[in-house]
Amino acid sequence: DTGVSQDPRHKITKRGQNVTFRCDPISEHNRLYWYRQTLGQGPEFLTYFQNEAQLEKSRLLSDRFSAERPKGSFSTLEIQRTEQGDSAMYLCASSGGWTGYSNQPQHFGDGTRLSIL
Amino acid sequence: SQQGEEDPQALSIQEGENATMNCSYKTSINNLQWYRQNSGRGLVHLILIRSNEREKHSGRLRVTLDTSKKSSSLLITASRAADTASYFCATNQGGSEKLVFGKGTKLTVNP
Repeated sequence: DTGVSQDPRHKITKRGQNVTFRCDPISEHNRLYWYRQTLGQGPEFLTYFQNEAQLEKSRLLSDRFSAERPKGSFSTLEIQRTEQGDSAMYLCASSGGWTGYSNQPQHFGDGTRLSIL
Repeated sequence: SQQGEEDPQALSIQEGENATMNCSYKTSINNLQWYRQNSGRGLVHLILIRSNEREKHSGRLRVTLDTSKKSSSLLITASRAADTASYFCATNQGGSEKLVFGKGTKLTVNP
């Protein structure tokens, strides 16, 4: 079990630029989640995949945000035309291995910290 | 929007003392989970308690759940400096797989 891996760990970019983050879940997990966390707050749900299907999206996920999990393994989260308010920690988590067994504990990566200048 | 509210927001204790954190939530749940987060790191799952359970133990951790009061508590016994972290409760609701987190309790254990 190598854990959930996220890349990069830190990203600094100018307002208006596009950024893409990658998440590699635990290999046998079929569920993958993205959350956003700002300072002093708990994580807020963004989106969730079961295998390659995106099954749930938060209203927080505006038109500028898109997430993919093309082969049901790794996932990418892209933010287009970044804004100051996008500065946050973006966390990826994975769970599962048994389709149909719901609400299992989620295993988190260490996140990508995004800073918008 | 965040579902849970942890109380207190911050807690400072001496090594060896017990730490109790509380969590309240607003809607009916399938289960409630507690996570720990060290500064600058991801969250680590501690314990899951289902809506039909009242108490659960794991090592030095004890979690209670009172669905009539929509509240849960996390007790860490014989605390250690390494327990210093933020602790979050999170709930699963309805048919959703997403977790809804509270704002967390920041625990400091002084050596």
